[in-house]
Amino acid sequence: KQEVTQIPAALSVPEGENLVLNCSFTDSAIYNLQWFRQDPGKGLTSLLLIQSSQREQTSGRLNASLDKSSGRSTLYIAASQPGDSATYLCAVRRSGYSTLTFGKGTMLLVSP
Amino acid sequence: SQTIHQWPATLVQPVGSPLSLECTVEGTSNPNLYWYRQAAGRGLQLLFYSVGIGQISSEVPQNLSASRPQDRQFILSSKKLLLSDSGFYLCAWSALGATNEKLFFGSGTQLSVL
Repeated sequence: KQEVTQIPAALSVPEGENLVLNCSFTDSAIYNLQWFRQDPGKGLTSLLLIQSSQREQTSGRLNASLDKSSGRSTLYIAASQPGDSATYLCAVRRSGYSTLTFGKGTMLLVSP
Repeated sequence: SQTIHQWPATLVQPVGSPLSLECTVEGTSNPNLYWYRQAAGRGLQLLFYSVGIGQISSEVPQNLSASRPQDRQFILSSKKLLLSDSGFYLCAWSALGATNEKLFFGSGTQLSVL
């Protein structure tokens, strides 16, 4: 059974700081890994998808990396802004499965 | 472009009452469709998924059921709600057969069972 863990559960940083969110998974046989953002009371928005053959993906100030062999992914946010405040979730699709397994998320607060 | 609609946004129901949540997707054909529940402190739990009309897979045995009467319509139902059914329900879709495709979510329904 795939298990996904996200550390830390919550993070508070001042505006402008660079930060890293961590995601680990127990089964390295994956198709892909996605990072999502969720604002309070809202649905999830896909930020980045890394395929199993890739090492990283970038979108603007966001960079996600994937190390399949060690079962880890990181989401790097550069020059954080108050608008980045949200919960960030990672999810893994295992090989042979059509569904995702989600972590519980990291709640990020960026203070002005 | 593809869009996903989910309603209602908020619902307060008494214990023992029925439930019907609806989700529709526009701008795509033959999507994979999913129902998730998000409870406080418990993360996102997959309830049902469907790869086609009338094809429903259940991940968690419970008093909820799902149906897919049309290609782009997915319905979550219950005959009698329990207190433990409270939570934030999310519908999602992805492209059929594309294992490396992104998952797109609706805006969610906050269900409170009292």
